[in-house]
Order: sequence, then structure tokens, then C-alpha cells
Amino acid sequence: GENVEQHPSTLSVQEGDSAVIKCTYSDSASNYFPWYKQELGKRPQLIIDIRSNVGEKKDQRIAVTLNKTAKHFSLHITETQPEDSAVYFCAASMGNTPLVFGKGTRLSVIA
Amino acid sequence: DAEITQSPRHKITETGRQVTLACHQTWNHNNMFWYRQDLGHGLRLIHYSYGVQDTNKGEVSDGYSVSRSNTEDLPLTLESAASSQTSVYFCASSESITGRKLFGNGTRLTVT
Repeated sequence: GENVEQHPSTLSVQEGDSAVIKCTYSDSASNYFPWYKQELGKRPQLIIDIRSNVGEKKDQRIAVTLNKTAKHFSLHITETQPEDSAVYFCAASMGNTPLVFGKGTRLSVIA
Repeated sequence: DAEITQSPRHKITETGRQVTLACHQTWNHNNMFWYRQDLGHGLRLIHYSYGVQDTNKGEVSDGYSVSRSNTEDLPLTLESAASSQTSVYFCASSESITGRKLFGNGTRLTVT
């Protein structure tokens, strides 16, 4: 089955700097790659997703890139703000199988 | 507004007791999922359903069961609660199998 590795497990950045979180997946058949943000005590919420027919997608300060050959995808947050502090999860799925999640990255934005 | 609701939000139970966690969604989604979240493990899939009368085992299904008698509900039952099942449980639903998932607010379960 699919296996998703996520790095780093914790990340601290200064406010205004960029943050990058990377994930690798094992099954080349995976074709859907979402990112979720989870604030303390809250539910995970989808922030951006990408499908395998697209190499990059942007939404304001957030972008996701996908390298199908290398089987990895990354979340980029630019101009980080304190409210970006949260745990971020990547995930992957293929065909008719449910999402497999990475173990999460705790991002701290230091003001 | 459509929503996905979990109850209770917090539950304390004793080892060996049967516990049922409720999940109700008003999105009319066919696909519903149960995950558990533990520190260092992320979100792990317990059971899922693609429609009424359909249930499937996930990665960590031992000790858990689900039933799907209607579109709106997917209750999760712990047949005989164990301390290892202390966790935060999230229910999710999606319109398509690989589509965007919406999560409930979670249930924090403590087994003593």
C-alpha cells in the first residue's frame, strides 16, 4: 500500500520568512495530493490540493509543487505570519483508495 | 449550512466497556471515514464506507467496527475498550473517494 513520509517534523521560522514542508510517496499510481492545516484543538482543514496532471498550484501565499518522477511534493508558504503556526499534514491517494497521511509538521512562526 | 458533527466531544470510559462514537453529516456524501490521531503517528485510517451497507477496514481496524445504515451516519464502535485506544478520533466525509475531505470536530476518548 501507499506510504507517505513527511519532513521536517518541526519547523520554526521568523515572521515574514518562507517555510517549506516536503513529502514523499511510495506508489507511483497516486494521483491526488492534498495538504491540511490543523490548529491546536481544531479539526484538520484542507488548504490546498493538487492532482497528478498539474506540476504546481498557487493560492495567495501558499503553493504546492509536485514532482511525479521523484515521487515527492512540497508545500511552500511565503511571507509567513503568526497565524500560520499549526500542524500541517500532507496526504496521497490513488484511484479508489482513501487518503494516506504523513505524520505531520509542526510549524512555529516567531514574531 | 451543511456540516459534519461528531458526538460526544469528550468521553471517558473504562477498560472492557463498549463505546460508540457518533458521526453525522448533512453534505449527502457517499464516502465517510474514521481516523484516529496520536502524537507521532498523524492520522491513521480505521474504517471507511463508500455508501449504505458498505464498510471497509483501514490500517488500524482491530478492535473497532462500523455500520452504515443510511447516508448521513457512520457510528464507530469499540467492542471492548482498551487503554491503547485512548486517542482523538476524527470522522470525515467526501463527495468522491479521492475528493476533498471535510472533517468533524473530533472526539477525545480516554480509556482508563
